Amino acid sequence: AQSVSQHNHHVILSEAASLELGCNYSYGGTVNLFWYVQYPGQHLQLLLKYFSGDPLVKGIKGFEAEFIKSKFSFNLRKPSVQWSDTAEYFCAVGGYSTLTFGKGTMLLVSP
Amino acid sequence: NAGVTQTPKFQVLKTGQSMTLQCAQDMNHNSMYWYRQDPGMGLRLIYYSASEGTTDKGEVPDGYNVSRLKKQNFLLGLESAAPSQTSVYFCASRQTSGSPYEQYFGPGTRLTVT
Repeated sequence: AQSVSQHNHHVILSEAASLELGCNYSYGGTVNLFWYVQYPGQHLQLLLKYFSGDPLVKGIKGFEAEFIKSKFSFNLRKPSVQWSDTAEYFCAVGGYSTLTFGKGTMLLVSP
Repeated sequence: NAGVTQTPKFQVLKTGQSMTLQCAQDMNHNSMYWYRQDPGMGLRLIYYSASEGTTDKGEVPDGYNVSRLKKQNFLLGLESAAPSQTSVYFCASRQTSGSPYEQYFGPGTRLTVT
């Protein structure tokens, strides 16, 4: 069975601070990994995805993630956060049919 | 191109009432999904449909039923609503060819059962 663990439930940062959100997964097959973001009151939007190839993946809004197969990790990073990055972030792992989501990390960026 | 749409946006039910949540997508996607989102629990899959006319249970199917009679629509039914079903419900769709696997989400339905 697949599972996703997000290490931090809540993160508070000041603007311009660097961000790293942890994600570890357990999955038996070919892994497909995603980070989704949910801004307050909105639906989930895809930030970035990894299927194969370069383990460093760049997404929208300056986010990137690194797939480390030996650590079963797919951590999300951003060098300098903005107030508008305040949102909940979900890591997800999936095969062909379905996705399994982590419990989410709420990021609050103070101006 | 509206993407994934859901109706209603908000609903209040009394315990024991039934209702149907509607989801439509205009992207010609084969697969559709229903999730529920609860604080601290992330998204949990209720049911999914890989193609028109087929459905499969997800992680938390009890108390729900689904229908996928048309490719563009996926309906979620609550047979007899319970307070434990108070949640935000998201529908999603996904293409199964080309650039695969990412799911596109609707705006959600916030359901309260009293």
